[in-house]
Amino acid sequence: DAKTTQPPSMDCAEGRAANLPCNHSTISGNEYVYWYRQIHSQGPQYIIHGLKNNETNEMASLIITEDRKSSTLILPHATLRDTAVYYCIVRVHRAGGTSYGKLTFGQGTILTVHP
Amino acid sequence: GAGVSQSPSNKVTEKGKDVELRCDPISGHTALYWYRQRLGQGLEFLIYFQGNSAPDKSGLPSDRFSAERTGESVSTLTIQRTQQEDSAVYLCASSLYLSTSGGTDTQYFGPGTRLTVL
Repeated sequence: DAKTTQPPSMDCAEGRAANLPCNHSTISGNEYVYWYRQIHSQGPQYIIHGLKNNETNEMASLIITEDRKSSTLILPHATLRDTAVYYCIVRVHRAGGTSYGKLTFGQGTILTVHP
Repeated sequence: GAGVSQSPSNKVTEKGKDVELRCDPISGHTALYWYRQRLGQGLEFLIYFQGNSAPDKSGLPSDRFSAERTGESVSTLTIQRTQQEDSAVYLCASSLYLSTSGGTDTQYFGPGTRLTVL
């Protein structure tokens, strides 16, 4: 799986958009970008994933650059409850199209949303 | 529906004792994963099950650690002769299937078991 690089910490004002960047310059053509977050003392929570097209769900939007070497997770209206560690993970798809196995978590970005 | 559940939520044990940690995956999920998270650290992969088989045990730190899964459902992680360095939160995740071409495999996590070895 390709390595990812994220800033160690970010701040955001409540109600504003939080834009969390992730670099994955060695990503392969069949690797997806996943985002999880971990709120203090809880298990990781799935947020969103994408391959090359931008994606949006009820939690967030994922913007992937055309060359796929970086992406940005956008929380459109951050709340205090969005304070968490956010992990960007690149997930390989094995030959034959199957995908399985571990998620490799880095250190993530600590997002602090303040009033 | 119900998410991944783990029990106990907290376990305190003495050094040298054996412990069993349980994971109940989301109903119908064929894949199950165990991870460990030490205080202030990231998640470390331990083992992965597809059905009742474990094709990837590469993260088990020593032969004191073992895991099994029965009925393609419940899994138990056993740590024998616990050591203080085993203190951590043990997290379980499950996913629906091995993805076929074009599909993905999203893992959903339980709340974890906090193990403290005195």
